[in-house]
Amino acid sequence: SQKIEQNSEALNIQEGKTATLTCNYTNYSPAYLQWYRQDPGRGPVFLLLIRENEKEKRKERLKVTFDTTLKQSLFHITASQPADSATYLCALEGGSYIPTFGRGTSLIVHP
Amino acid sequence: DAGVTQSPTHLIKTRGQQVTLRCSPKSGHDTVSWYQQALGQGPQFIFQYYEEEERQRGNFPDRFSGHQFPNYSSELNVNALLLGDSALYLCASSLEQGFSEQYFGPGTRLTVT
Repeated sequence: SQKIEQNSEALNIQEGKTATLTCNYTNYSPAYLQWYRQDPGRGPVFLLLIRENEKEKRKERLKVTFDTTLKQSLFHITASQPADSATYLCALEGGSYIPTFGRGTSLIVHP
Repeated sequence: DAGVTQSPTHLIKTRGQQVTLRCSPKSGHDTVSWYQQALGQGPQFIFQYYEEEERQRGNFPDRFSGHQFPNYSSELNVNALLLGDSALYLCASSLEQGFSEQYFGPGTRLTVT
C-alpha cells in the first residue's frame, strides 16, 4: 500500500544548528514533492517544490533533496531560529498531480 | 494583496445536520481546492474547482459537494454530518488547476457533536 512517512516524534534542536527532517515514501512515483510549514491553528504555508528530475533545491536557509531511488526527501534548515519552530509537512504527487500529505514532523528550536 | 480567506472560523454542528463553508481565493487566482485535516494528520484532498466546475475529486463520499462562483470564490457543503467529519477544513487557491504553488487559508474548524 502507499505510504508517506514523516517522523512522528518532535525534533528538538538548539538555536543555530541545522535541522534535518525526513520524508520517506513507498509505492509512489511522484512527479514532484513539496514541503510546507504549518503553525498551530493555521493553514500550511508553501516552502519549496522539487521535481523528480531534480536532486536538490535551495531557498535562503532552506535546502531540499529528493532521492527517487531511496524514495526519500530530506529538508534542511540551516542556522535554525526559535521562529522556525512549527510542524513541517511533506506532500508528494499522488497521481493526477494531486498532492498527498504526510502527517508532518514538529520542529522545536530551543534558544 | 488579500490572501485566501475562509469563513466561518469555527463552527459547531449536530450529527445529521448540513454545513456550508466559504472561501475567497488569493487575488488573481482562479482555482480553489478543498482539504480536510483531522487532528494530528496531514491535509486530505477533497476536490478542486476551476471554471466553476469540479475538476478533480479525492476519496470522499457524495455528502461532500461544492460550488465555485464566477468571482472564483467557492463553497464546500457537507450533508448528513457524522462525528468523523470533525476536522479543520482548508481551502487553497492556485492558478489554472495547478497544485505546484498553493496558498492556503486559515481554515474552518468544524466540530460535530
